Amino acid sequence: SQQGEEDPQALSIQEGENATMNCSYKTSINNLQWYRQNSGRGLVHLILIRSNEREKHSGRLRVTLDTSKKSSSLLITASRAADTASYFCATVVAGKSTFGDGTTLTVKP
Amino acid sequence: EAQVTQNPRYLITVTGKKLTVTCSQNMNHEYMSWYRQDPGLGLRQIYYSMNVEVTDKGDVPEGYKVSRKEKRNFPLILESPSPNQTSLYFCASSDQTLPGTEAFFGQGTRLTVV
Repeated sequence: SQQGEEDPQALSIQEGENATMNCSYKTSINNLQWYRQNSGRGLVHLILIRSNEREKHSGRLRVTLDTSKKSSSLLITASRAADTASYFCATVVAGKSTFGDGTTLTVKP
Repeated sequence: EAQVTQNPRYLITVTGKKLTVTCSQNMNHEYMSWYRQDPGLGLRQIYYSMNVEVTDKGDVPEGYKVSRKEKRNFPLILESPSPNQTSLYFCASSDQTLPGTEAFFGQGTRLTVV
């Protein structure tokens, strides 16, 4: 099974609302990354959080990491229609990378 | 412009006809990797390469081959494609001098095997 598993699988919100998606993983990690994918296109890196960090911000993005629970969350504040995409967490251990199944976010104007 | 380039973007082929999907990066990255993505699923790693002449299996290597003869190129080879290899394929590269730094992805190759 996937190292990273996202929850929820799909999320639909109104523009201006916040979106929170969660990721769980199974093994010890050095860092965890979040990516965004617009329909059928390549993934774009959003943010990386290291195992010794608990929270990180980048613009409207806030990522938390709880290594004791092996989980991470991505919060997008004040969402926009342009945030509509799929979001994936990913871990890399000894060169092997594992992606979750993703959360599909729809932001309605 | 820093980029990962895959070719072709779209390919329809017949079962058993050997094909190669090329991947090239211009960022001098040591690490390169291939993934496949199937509907409703995340990316699954096929093969990765930590440096020239070093390749390792990912989670789903069966039916695929790779080579890393030079740093910038990492072709994916399907010796005898089958319909279950119909998928969206992505190549990615990253700078492993700083472990875990972001990966840059190509735009994808949509492969259909009939």
